[in-house]
Amino acid sequence: DVVMTQSPLSLPVTLGQPASISCRSSQSLVYSDGITYMHWFQQRPGQSPRRLIYKVSNRDSGVPDRFSGSGSGTDFTLKISRVEAEDVGVYYCMQGTHWPRTFGQGTKLEIK
Amino acid sequence: EVQLVESGGDLVQPGGSLRLSCAASGFTFSSYAMYWVRQAPGKGLEYVSAISSNGGFTNYANSVKGRFTISRDNSKNTLYLQMGSLKTEDMAVYYCVRDWQLDNWGQGTPVTVSS
Repeated sequence: DVVMTQSPLSLPVTLGQPASISCRSSQSLVYSDGITYMHWFQQRPGQSPRRLIYKVSNRDSGVPDRFSGSGSGTDFTLKISRVEAEDVGVYYCMQGTHWPRTFGQGTKLEIK
Repeated sequence: EVQLVESGGDLVQPGGSLRLSCAASGFTFSSYAMYWVRQAPGKGLEYVSAISSNGGFTNYANSVKGRFTISRDNSKNTLYLQMGSLKTEDMAVYYCVRDWQLDNWGQGTPVTVSS
């Protein structure tokens, strides 16, 4: 199985400051069609997960533009340009290229 | 509006069986692949199973292979997960998720495995 390794696992951030989460995969996530199926999800406390970013860098509808995704191959990053209180929660990366699908361990973002 | 409503979660003894359902609405169910993803108490997300739009392709996590069966009834807009030989480590909230790219999630249904 493809192992997805996130860092850090805990991320205390001051309001208004930037934040960055890394996700590394044990194999390339480029599919045979040339597309990289790597997605980011946010899970706020007490809520279901929701998708933030799909296929590395595409923001979902309604996701603030302070969220951005980047990366290629096996190395990916989720960045928040200025953290707001509503961003508190756990962030997961997930690969949709190989079977079985696998998630990262999750990164818990909290306000300092 | 896309809606995914899971049901069927319950308290079951180790070794027991349970069937989860996910009622879909607000989109053409038969056009979308679907997933089950679970989350054990205080833990992260874990892929369980996936099924193609017509049910011709299915896939399972190694941890549930041979014990769980995913299926769908496109005439009823419903996704199922038949769970057997349940173990304590299967205890989790089970989410129904739409599309190969997991674009919409349900609210989840809790499964408790305990004697």
